[in-house]
Amino acid sequence: GENVEQHPSTLSVQEGDSAVIKCTYSDSASNYFPWYKQELGKGPQLIIDIRSNVGEKKDQRIAVTLNKTAKHFSLHITETQPEDSAVYFCAASKGSGGSYIPTFGRGTSLIVHP
Amino acid sequence: SQTIHQWPATLVQPVGSPLSLECTVEGTSNPNLYWYRQAAGRGLQLLFYSVGIGQISSEVPQNLSASRPQDRQFILSSKKLLLSDSGFYLCAWERGVGGYTFGSGTRLTVV
Repeated sequence: GENVEQHPSTLSVQEGDSAVIKCTYSDSASNYFPWYKQELGKGPQLIIDIRSNVGEKKDQRIAVTLNKTAKHFSLHITETQPEDSAVYFCAASKGSGGSYIPTFGRGTSLIVHP
Repeated sequence: SQTIHQWPATLVQPVGSPLSLECTVEGTSNPNLYWYRQAAGRGLQLLFYSVGIGQISSEVPQNLSASRPQDRQFILSSKKLLLSDSGFYLCAWERGVGGYTFGSGTRLTVV
């Protein structure tokens, strides 16, 4: 089955700095890679995703890159703000039987210091 | 727009008591529905998923069961709770193209 490794487990940055979270996956058939942000006491929220036919996707201060050959993808947050502090999860999945069941990374706790 | 409702938000139950958590989705039809548990720490563990009414797939054999009595309703149950059932339970839906929408979660404490 799929295996997703996520690093670092904790990331501490100063407000205004950039933050990068990296994930690797094992199943070359995976073709959908979402990122979720989970604030304390809440459910995770999808913030950006990328499919295997695209190498990079950007949405304002957030971007995701995908390297299919190396089987790794990364989340980039620029100009970090205190409200970016949360746990971030990466995931890898492929469509099967009409559903996409992701394998999640173990999460990265991002702390943005004002 | 699509919304997902999950309740209750918090629950304290004694060991050996039954459990019923409910999740409903509005604004869509034929959703794929999922139950996850998030124990201490951060990992998301898939418990059950359903691609249609009455269709339940179990990912982890345990003290829990799931049912889908209606298209947009997903229920997580237990006949007798264990201490190890404590955790943060999350319901989610997606339409078969990827990308979950999670509910707000239920914090279950078994005492």
